[in-house]
Amino acid sequence: AQTVTQSQPEMSVQEAETVTLSCTYDTSESDYYLFWYKQPPSRQMILVIRQEAYKQQNATENRFSVNFQKAAKSFSLKISDSQLGDAAMYFCAYRSRNRGSTLGRLYFGRGTQLTVWP
Amino acid sequence: DSGVTQTPKHLITATGQRVTLRCSPRSGDLSVYWYQQSLDQGLQFLIQYYNGEERAKGNILERFSAQQFPDLHSELNLSSLELGDSALYFCASSVPYGYTFGSGTRLTVV
Repeated sequence: AQTVTQSQPEMSVQEAETVTLSCTYDTSESDYYLFWYKQPPSRQMILVIRQEAYKQQNATENRFSVNFQKAAKSFSLKISDSQLGDAAMYFCAYRSRNRGSTLGRLYFGRGTQLTVWP
Repeated sequence: DSGVTQTPKHLITATGQRVTLRCSPRSGDLSVYWYQQSLDQGLQFLIQYYNGEERAKGNILERFSAQQFPDLHSELNLSSLELGDSALYFCASSVPYGYTFGSGTRLTVV
């Protein structure tokens, strides 16, 4: 089974600074998606960014970008110009593209709690 | 608004009781996924339905069951509740390359 590991239970950053959240995963598959989800205190799960494994180019969404290292099975999230509203729990997630018994389920890491200081 | 609707938002019940959580996926979405989020287990996949049929099972206890109805809404039934079942229960429907989640049902078993 696929596993997703987030080794940083907590991170903090000063407002306007940059922070990087780490994620590694284990899979024998070659075709998959990776995601970062944000869960603010409201508990809503919000998609931040996604990456298709077959794409070499790292995904970017405004202040959020990823560093996808397929060979190393690493998928880190960089938040630039951090804002107070970025404070949340961040989850890394994996989804296979293969149609099989997993059929699109997400495998989540345990999350990284990000604190943003003013 | 994600378009995925979950009710109720909060539920408090006693051990041994049975509850039903409801999810309505986004209009036109045929799939529903149920997840449980607890402090000790993190986010765990429970079960998936697609167009009324069960497609995949994860770490779902035998005391739990689910179904998806012809109008595509889904219900997650939790019975013989234990303190350890206290958690946030999410449903989600799939969007291209990802999911959109409902706001969750917070279940507290006392």
